[in-house]
Amino acid sequence: QVQLQESGPGLVKPSQTLSLTCTVSGGSISSGSYYWSWIRQPAGKGLEWIGRIYTSGSTNYNPSLKSRVTISVDTSKNQFSLKLSSVTAADTAVYYCARASPAVAAFDYWGQGTLVTVSS
Amino acid sequence: DIQMTQSPSSLSASVGDRVTITCQASQDISNYLNWYQQKPGKAPKLLIYDASNLETGVPSRFSGSGSGTDFTFTISSLQPEDIATYYCQQYDNLPTFGPGTKVDIK
Repeated sequence: QVQLQESGPGLVKPSQTLSLTCTVSGGSISSGSYYWSWIRQPAGKGLEWIGRIYTSGSTNYNPSLKSRVTISVDTSKNQFSLKLSSVTAADTAVYYCARASPAVAAFDYWGQGTLVTVSS
Repeated sequence: DIQMTQSPSSLSASVGDRVTITCQASQDISNYLNWYQQKPGKAPKLLIYDASNLETGVPSRFSGSGSGTDFTFTISSLQPEDIATYYCQQYDNLPTFGPGTKVDIK
């Protein structure tokens, strides 16, 4: 059973960089043709896809966030990471990591989510 | 960007009622449409993929249909544990989610 777990600071100051890591267990991040995504959800609002990385290392980002987002993968640690720069209060949200198959791009495994608050 | 709309934004129904949610894409996405259920404080759960395919382990009272720009999600007989917000998500291009439909018990 694949499991995903987000980790990182719960509080980030405005203008700084938000950094989160997703640790995958129950299977190798390199096995199979999956892509690994970050998705966020402000309190009381809907889901926003941030970006994804394939096990090959190629990435795609939400155009609205592209200038501030970097997603990377560390296959040796079975982890992938998110960096979001120049954060503002609008970036306060629960951040989820999730897995999807390119065939159907359905997010079949999710982390439990981690709340990141942007505040001084 | 492909925009997704959902209606209604919320609904209240009685246990046993048939519940229908619609999702519309701003352009043709074939059947590249998935449905999720999200309960408060929890991550979303995949229910339907490719517009009409039931994810393994999901009760058969959930179903989906549609193609092109118009899609429907149905709960054939609403149960108390179905109280949640439901989201559609397209993957014709980069993934985008609909705004969600909150389902309550009347």
